[in-house]
Amino acid sequence: DIQMTQSPSSLSATVGDRVTITCQASQDIRQYLNWYQQKPGEAPKPLIFDALNLQTGVPPRFSGGGSETEFTLTINGLQPEDIATYYCQQYYILPLSFGGGTKVEIK
Amino acid sequence: EVHLVESGGDLVQPGRSLRLSCAASGFSFDDYAMHWVRQAPGKGLEWISTVNWNSGFTAYADSVKGRFTISRDNAKNSVFLQMKSLRPEDTAIYYCAKDVHYGSGSFIDFWGHGTLVTVSS
Repeated sequence: DIQMTQSPSSLSATVGDRVTITCQASQDIRQYLNWYQQKPGEAPKPLIFDALNLQTGVPPRFSGGGSETEFTLTINGLQPEDIATYYCQQYYILPLSFGGGTKVEIK
Repeated sequence: EVHLVESGGDLVQPGRSLRLSCAASGFSFDDYAMHWVRQAPGKGLEWISTVNWNSGFTAYADSVKGRFTISRDNAKNSVFLQMKSLRPEDTAIYYCAKDVHYGSGSFIDFWGHGTLVTVSS
């Protein structure tokens, strides 16, 4: 099974900051990597698919990058509405697996 | 507009069974794979099971293999999760989710609001 490790597990940043979250896969997953955003009390929402493609309706301040085993999610200009937990997910092989999540808070 | 509405969550005793349902609308249901993903209280997301568009392929997490069964009824635009031999560690919100493809699972573009399953004596 492929293990997905996110770092940091939580972070606190100021509105307007650039925030970067890292996701590491235990083996090469090419670019079969997705990102989801989950706000408190809500279901997850799709954010980025295939490592770098923004889902329709996602603000362009979000961007994804990486390949093989190292991936990033970047928020350029953190906004109050971005307070959430972010999860990466691989689909290179079953079982599908999620990272442990990164909780983003405002300072 | 896509809607996924889960139902069937309940408080059950360890060892008992429960069947979750998910009613889908707003898209061509039989064109897409469907998933169940769960989230234990205060924890992260855990993929549980996938069924492809025509029920020809199913997959399960090791944690539920042999106890849970996923199925779908394309005529009723519904997907189900039959859960047996429930354990306290199965306590979670169970999300029904739609894939962007018809096959074995890739990107989830819509999630239901979830249904809570609590396993406790």
